[in-house]
Parts: sequence; structure tokens; C-alpha cells
Amino acid sequence: RKEVEQDPGPFNVPEGATVAFNCTYSNSASQSFFWYRQDCRKEPKLLMSVYSSGNEDGRFTAQLNRASQYISLLIRDSKLSDSATYLCVVNRDYGQNFVFGPGTRLSVLP
Amino acid sequence: GAVVSQHPSWVICKSGTSVKIECRSLDFQATTMFWYRQFPKQSLMLMATSNEGSKATYEQGVEKDKFLINHASLTLSTLTVTSAHPEDSSFYICSARGVRGRTQETQYFGPGTRLLVL
Repeated sequence: RKEVEQDPGPFNVPEGATVAFNCTYSNSASQSFFWYRQDCRKEPKLLMSVYSSGNEDGRFTAQLNRASQYISLLIRDSKLSDSATYLCVVNRDYGQNFVFGPGTRLSVLP
Repeated sequence: GAVVSQHPSWVICKSGTSVKIECRSLDFQATTMFWYRQFPKQSLMLMATSNEGSKATYEQGVEKDKFLINHASLTLSTLTVTSAHPEDSSFYICSARGVRGRTQETQYFGPGTRLLVL
């Protein structure tokens, strides 16, 4: 079993739709969690950190369930510019050893 | 803030040559830099972790004699792919983690280097 798994995708949604991505991790000692987005042929860019209490940044909401070892990302009112691959990232110990999920590709269609 | 640069952004070379890639943290000091490789349609795979002033820690299956890493200062790490072969063609991305404040919380990625070995 992979250490970090994500919805296989791809997700093709119309503009304005709400879409949710799921991620699970196997290492219960994991300390911190992030969502990154990666555009085609570019480097990953930090979208948001994921906090235990859940957190929101504009149209994006991230949630963490440590008991179930599950992370989610919700995107509301999808824009064309949201089209990218979304990477779930788990940090085994603070600052070190990021483990990337395989990514979920999102295409927002006009 | 938290900008990481890489150079070159792409390189094409003949089989058997060595290629050096530089990773710089431009506006913060990075005690730790990470080197990743990404093949098409796959996720990033960590190759090695590099700490300033000490030897790099390589992930299982990554040959340390083939992928030489030097992290001589708090703002610069280099990856040298020695005797490159076509199977080394990939997207190489570095990231850096800072020593204080926000830059300590996560990793900041460089723009990547595309290597094509003919």
C-alpha cells in the first residue's frame, strides 16, 4: 500500500461546480499536511496547509481527520484557472521527508 | 518571499556527459534542501535530502555516486548527474526549507530543470 493515496481522477467539472478531493495516508505518526497544486510542466506550488480544526482560504476548504488518517480539499465555484493536478502531501516529521500523493487531475470546463 | 531558483531550466546533453543543476534560495537561508525527480504522469519522488555542511541522505534505490549532491552554503545546493544516460531524462525539482518563521513550516520548490539525455 502506498503511503499517501488520492482519488485517481481525472475530474472534469463545469465552471462553477463544487469538487472534493480525498486523500488517505498510512503513517499514523505523520505530523503535518498540505495541499499543493502542480500545473503542467511546472513545479508544485503550496495551495494551503491543513490544520486539525479544518481551514478555509477563499473558495478552498481543507479538512483533516487524524483518527481516519484522511485529508480532503473542497473547491467551491470552480474557475477555469483551477485546472491543475492537486497533490496531497504528508510530512513525516516537521520539515523533513515530504511524501507526495500521486495527484488528482482537475479540468474545469467552460 | 521564499523564492527558490534553479539553473538551468532545461538541458539537453549526450549520453555519458555530466550535468550540474543548481538550486538557490534567494531570500531566505535554507539548512535543508531536497532533490526530487518526476517522470511524465507520475508524482514527485524524493531522491535525497541535503543538509548544509554535511553529506546528503539518499533515498533507497538512488545511487549516491551517480547523483552527487553538494550543499556548501545556506543558499545553494547542487545536483550533478554523472555519466548521464537516456533513462536519467526527467524533471528534476529542488525544494528548500528555511531556518526560521514561515519558511521553516514547509518546503518551497524551485521551477525545476528538464533534462533530456540523447
